[in-house]
Amino acid sequence: AQSVAQPEDQVNVAEGNPLTVKCTYSVSGNPYLFWYVQYPNRGLQFLLKYITGDNLVKGSYGFEAEFNKSQTSFHLKKPSALVSDSALYFCAVRAGKGSTLGRLYFGRGTQLTVWP
Amino acid sequence: EPEVTQTPSHQVTQMGQEVILRCVPISNHLYFYWYRQILGQKVEFLVSFYNNEISEKSEIFDDQFSVERPDGSNFTLKIRSTKLEDSAMYFCASSEAGGSGYNEQFFGPGTRLTVL
Repeated sequence: AQSVAQPEDQVNVAEGNPLTVKCTYSVSGNPYLFWYVQYPNRGLQFLLKYITGDNLVKGSYGFEAEFNKSQTSFHLKKPSALVSDSALYFCAVRAGKGSTLGRLYFGRGTQLTVWP
Repeated sequence: EPEVTQTPSHQVTQMGQEVILRCVPISNHLYFYWYRQILGQKVEFLVSFYNNEISEKSEIFDDQFSVERPDGSNFTLKIRSTKLEDSAMYFCASSEAGGSGYNEQFFGPGTRLTVL
């Protein structure tokens, strides 16, 4: 069965410091991995994805994520956090084989707070 | 930038009543989805829809639920007889043609359904 774990409900970081939001996954076959961000009263906004190729993927707003197959992880990172990055972050996975039209499995979300 | 829209933003209904949640996907997208998020829980897949038929549905999507694309722009989720446990945020999403799971899904802002 497919699943995603985000072990931290909250991450707090000072502005200008690097940030990491953790995600591990379990999936049949090769994973397709996604990060979404949700601001208050807004829908989930796509940040980045890993499908294949380079393990380090870059996305919107300076975010990047590193795919680690041996650790089944896909942690979200940013070298220098901004107060405006404060939001709820969701990791999601879809099985790369034997699935139909893209059913996503989500983690519980991690609330990121960047303080000035 | 094109976006998925949903109406209403908040729906309050009495238990046993029927509700219809409406979505307008991005215009050139052909794959449509409904997800829901009960307060404090994960975002959960309900159903995917392509070519005017359901492609996949989860165990949550029982006979009380139905989806329809009544015209060229709208995509609706109907709950025939609402229950208290249907109270949740319902998200609509769409993705581009191609059907492969690596196309990211674009989410609407959600409809908060409250069943009294």
